[in-house]
Amino acid sequence: GQNIDQPTEMTATEGAIVQINCTYQTSGFNGLFWYQQHAGEAPTFLSYNVLDGLEEKGRFSSFLSRSKGYSYLLLKELQMKDSASYLCAVRSTGGFKTIFGAGTRLFVKA
Amino acid sequence: EAGVVQSPRYKIIEKKQPVAFWCNPISGHNTLYWYLQNLGQGPELLIRYENEEAVDDSQLPKDRFSAERLKGVDSTLKIQPAELGDSAVYLCASSLGGANTEAFFGQGTRLTVV
Repeated sequence: GQNIDQPTEMTATEGAIVQINCTYQTSGFNGLFWYQQHAGEAPTFLSYNVLDGLEEKGRFSSFLSRSKGYSYLLLKELQMKDSASYLCAVRSTGGFKTIFGAGTRLFVKA
Repeated sequence: EAGVVQSPRYKIIEKKQPVAFWCNPISGHNTLYWYLQNLGQGPELLIRYENEEAVDDSQLPKDRFSAERLKGVDSTLKIQPAELGDSAVYLCASSLGGANTEAFFGQGTRLTVV
């Protein structure tokens, strides 16, 4: 089976850096996604990792360690609009089934 | 380019009544998903289609839920009869398919069963 753990909530200050962690267990790993979801809106794609290492995309970066079953999303130069839920999702082999974590609600304060 | 379109955005029904949700995926996307999302939780997969074939419906409560994707484009999800516990947001998503393609989500239908 699959299991994904993320912190429930985090608070950070505008302009700062925040790291949102995700640990997972899966019988067959085939990629990890991060999505952003503002309250009342649809999730939107942020990043995809399938190999170990860091993927950088503007203010957002995502890291993966397959041997540790661990990923993090790094948000730099935080802005108020970054206040949202961040969903970690793991895709398994054999059918491309994607399981979402419960999400981490990030509050950015002035 | 239009994104994934869902309707209705909101629906309130009494328990034991039927309800249906409609989804129009992004043009050219062969893979279509229906997810259920409860407040404070991540989306949970109900069913996944590759074209018109349901390739993963293991999480769909088949006693009351049904779905179809005729002609491999639009899809409908139906609940009959609805129960109080079905109150949630029902999200439709589509993707090109393949291992590293992200899903594009619609705005969802917020269902309230009273």
